[in-house]
Amino acid sequence: DVKVTQSSRYLVKRTGEKVFLECVQDMDHENMFWYRQDPGLGLRLIYFSYDVKMKEKGDIPEGYSVSREKKERFSLILESASTNQTSMYLCASSAFRDSTDTQYFGPGTRLTVL
Amino acid sequence: AQSVSQHNHHVILSEAASLELGCNYSYGGTVNLFWYVQYPGQHLQLLLKYFSGDPLVKGIKGFEAEFIKSKFSFNLRKPSVQWSDTAEYFCAVNAATNAGKSTFGDGTTLTVKP
Repeated sequence: DVKVTQSSRYLVKRTGEKVFLECVQDMDHENMFWYRQDPGLGLRLIYFSYDVKMKEKGDIPEGYSVSREKKERFSLILESASTNQTSMYLCASSAFRDSTDTQYFGPGTRLTVL
Repeated sequence: AQSVSQHNHHVILSEAASLELGCNYSYGGTVNLFWYVQYPGQHLQLLLKYFSGDPLVKGIKGFEAEFIKSKFSFNLRKPSVQWSDTAEYFCAVNAATNAGKSTFGDGTTLTVKP
């Protein structure tokens, strides 16, 4: 079974702090994604990566950056956290750069910014 | 750009009732379509997907969905719901040219009363 893990289930940070969210997948997948999930808004794509050291902006990249130094790991960085970034963050991976591919999701990190 | 619309934000049914959740997308080209489900406290996971062939696809737990190209729709159905189907359901579309990047709908929360 594909396993996608995220470093924290719950995280509380203060405004202005730098925040790192880590995601690891164990199935040698090429693609990795970061979403935020908010009630009534569904999943919105923040960034994605098709390869190591490669990144592309999703629909809502402002205020976020990412890093993919190893194939299995994809990090989401909030350079200076703000209260409007309080949300559930989901990481996902898929095997190939193919539009038929299923995405496999991690358990999510619920981030609260005070 | 592709977009996805789910018609109902919250559906409440009694056990044994039939279910149909609407999903419409806007994109003029070839698409691949997905339904994902998130049970309370669990990861988002694939319910079923369509990418070619028979437009009526069957998924896990007795769910099915029909792709109607002329209506740009991919509605999810189940003839008789159970209390354990209580979950949030997301429709997603991947344009064939978009290489694995999904656009998700806002989600529908299904509550099944025992």
